[in-house]
Amino acid sequence: GENVEQHPSTLSVQEGDSAVIKCTYSDSASNYFPWYKQELGKRPQLIIDIRSNVGEKKDQRIAVTLNKTAKHFSLHITETQPEDSAVYFCAASPRQAAGNKLTFGGGTRVLVKP
Amino acid sequence: DAEITQSPRHKITETGRQVTLACHQTWNHNNMFWYRQDLGHGLRLIHYSYGVQDTNKGEVSDGYSVSRSNTEDLPLTLESAASSQTSVYFCASSGGGTGELFFGEGSRLTVL
Repeated sequence: GENVEQHPSTLSVQEGDSAVIKCTYSDSASNYFPWYKQELGKRPQLIIDIRSNVGEKKDQRIAVTLNKTAKHFSLHITETQPEDSAVYFCAASPRQAAGNKLTFGGGTRVLVKP
Repeated sequence: DAEITQSPRHKITETGRQVTLACHQTWNHNNMFWYRQDLGHGLRLIHYSYGVQDTNKGEVSDGYSVSRSNTEDLPLTLESAASSQTSVYFCASSGGGTGELFFGEGSRLTVL
């Protein structure tokens, strides 16, 4: 089955700096890669996703990049703010469709210091 | 508004007892999932269902069971609770044309 590795496990950044989280996956059939954000004590929520036919996707201060050849994808947060402090999870799936089973990485705890 | 709710939110039980965690969604989603969240392991899939009477095992299904008698509910049962099952459990559902998972608030289970 799919295996997703996520690094680093914790990340501390100064407010205004950038944060980068990297994930690798094992199954070459995976082609859907979402990112979820979980604030302390809350449920995970989708913040951005990317499909394998796209190399990069941006949404305001967050962006995701995908290198399908190397089987890795990354989340970039620019101009970090205190509200970006949370745990971030990457995930992979063979398809973007209702019902697809997501395999999650181990999570990255991001702390933005004011 | 449509939502997905879990109960109980917190539970303490003893080793060997049977425990059932409830999950109810009003999205009318066919697809429902149970994950457990443990530090360093992210979210691991326990069981999932693609519709009424359909259930499937995930990567960490030993010691757990689910049943799907209607669209709205997917209860998770621990047949004989073990300390290794102390965790936070999340139910999720998906539907429509996207793969987005909508998570419940989570249920924190402690097995003593």
